[in-house]
Amino acid sequence: QVQLVESGGGVVQPGGSLRLSCEASGFTFNTHGMHWVRQAPGKGLQWVAFIRNDGSSTFYGDFVKGRFTISRANSKNTLYLQMVSLRPDDTAVYYCARDRFDSDTYFYGTPDYWGQGTRVTVSS
Amino acid sequence: DIVMTQSPDSLAVSLGERATINCKSSQSVLYTSNNKNYLAWFQQKPGQPPKLLIYWASTRESGVPDRFSGSGSGTDFTLTISNLQAEDVAVYYCQQYDLVPFTFGQGTKLEIK
Repeated sequence: QVQLVESGGGVVQPGGSLRLSCEASGFTFNTHGMHWVRQAPGKGLQWVAFIRNDGSSTFYGDFVKGRFTISRANSKNTLYLQMVSLRPDDTAVYYCARDRFDSDTYFYGTPDYWGQGTRVTVSS
Repeated sequence: DIVMTQSPDSLAVSLGERATINCKSSQSVLYTSNNKNYLAWFQQKPGQPPKLLIYWASTRESGVPDRFSGSGSGTDFTLTISNLQAEDVAVYYCQQYDLVPFTFGQGTKLEIK
């Protein structure tokens, strides 16, 4: 069965950096695009970033403004989110999620399988 | 960016009755070349990640009970939950995946009356 396990969250000071990881299993990782979606405490869902199956294209939410970088290592079945210049409003649970469609079928789509999330707190 | 607006923000429905949640996009998410609406619905229960219910506006994800149905096209969409069960208590989100950045509605909290 599809499993996504995030790690790397924690408490960081404003202006600091963090790298999130998401280890995938149960499907052919290099055939699907992947998403990061976040949820601030008590708030709704906010899409963060997407990367194509082969890493050839990446897209970001407007609020990222060059501070985050999504990447993947298909040989390790792992997705990453490098975050720098973190702000208090980046405090959230960060979910990685698989794209519903394989990349040969659609360029991108909607998330189907989600991990349990990793919590990021930006505070001094 | 495409703005997704859900209504109502919350609703309470009796067990066995029907719940209706609306979602409106600020521009059409219908891709005319394939006649597909790039609209999904998610269910999120407390302490859990979201669960995909519906994609292409009306295609039920595998394993989702058939009491969940999606309809609509262009800019106006509806999620209908028939014969409401206690386990349907959750927050429901619509999402467009037509244009980057993908955007979610603000969520609708569904409770039992």
